[in-house]
Amino acid sequence: AQRVTQPEKLLSVFKGAPVELKCNYSYSGSPELFWYVQYSRQRLQLLLRHISRESIKGFTADLNKGETSFHLKKPFAQEEDSAMYYCALSATEYGNKLVFGAGTILRVKS
Amino acid sequence: NAGVTQTPKFQVLKTGQSMTLQCAQDMNHNSMYWYRQDPGMGLRLIYYSASEGTTDKGEVPNGYNVSRLNKREFSLRLESAAPSQTSVYFCASSLTGENIQPQHFGDGTRLSIL
Repeated sequence: AQRVTQPEKLLSVFKGAPVELKCNYSYSGSPELFWYVQYSRQRLQLLLRHISRESIKGFTADLNKGETSFHLKKPFAQEEDSAMYYCALSATEYGNKLVFGAGTILRVKS
Repeated sequence: NAGVTQTPKFQVLKTGQSMTLQCAQDMNHNSMYWYRQDPGMGLRLIYYSASEGTTDKGEVPNGYNVSRLNKREFSLRLESAAPSQTSVYFCASSLTGENIQPQHFGDGTRLSIL
């Protein structure tokens, strides 16, 4: 069973539109959740993690334990947000190692 | 400050050939990781090294071996390459193996096996 599910392979939105990248996970305990991003020709890098409760580049993500979700949101998409986004989970059950979702390509059109 | 450096960036092998992928980090991190990235499957952990002198299997270790040469370097070896190992390989490091520590990634090695 997939432990981290990102149901959309590709999400295409217009500049200025709201963005929501979905992430659902399978874990009954209290996981640590992360969003990693890979911009074109750049390295995969950490965008944000739920433990920090921070907003990075206008993105936020809230951990919903009831729905086992950690969706990434931004109210107004910008062209420079176009990238591959990976949701990842770390939990004791998985040896505290990162388990990645399949990724979602976000394409922001002008 | 280069962060995590991987060599080579690209490689084409024939089935049965062997190869070592090199990875080095200059951030004085204790933990290092090797992942493979395949379309539709995200990144999957091959092997990791929680600290110098230790290595452990990840999710997909078959067909690979690793060596934690010192604190800086963590290499991945394919002894007898197979077409199923065609992938993009990423090395990463983190300060410790604790799950709250962010991982820093290299640029990746694109490996094709014919």
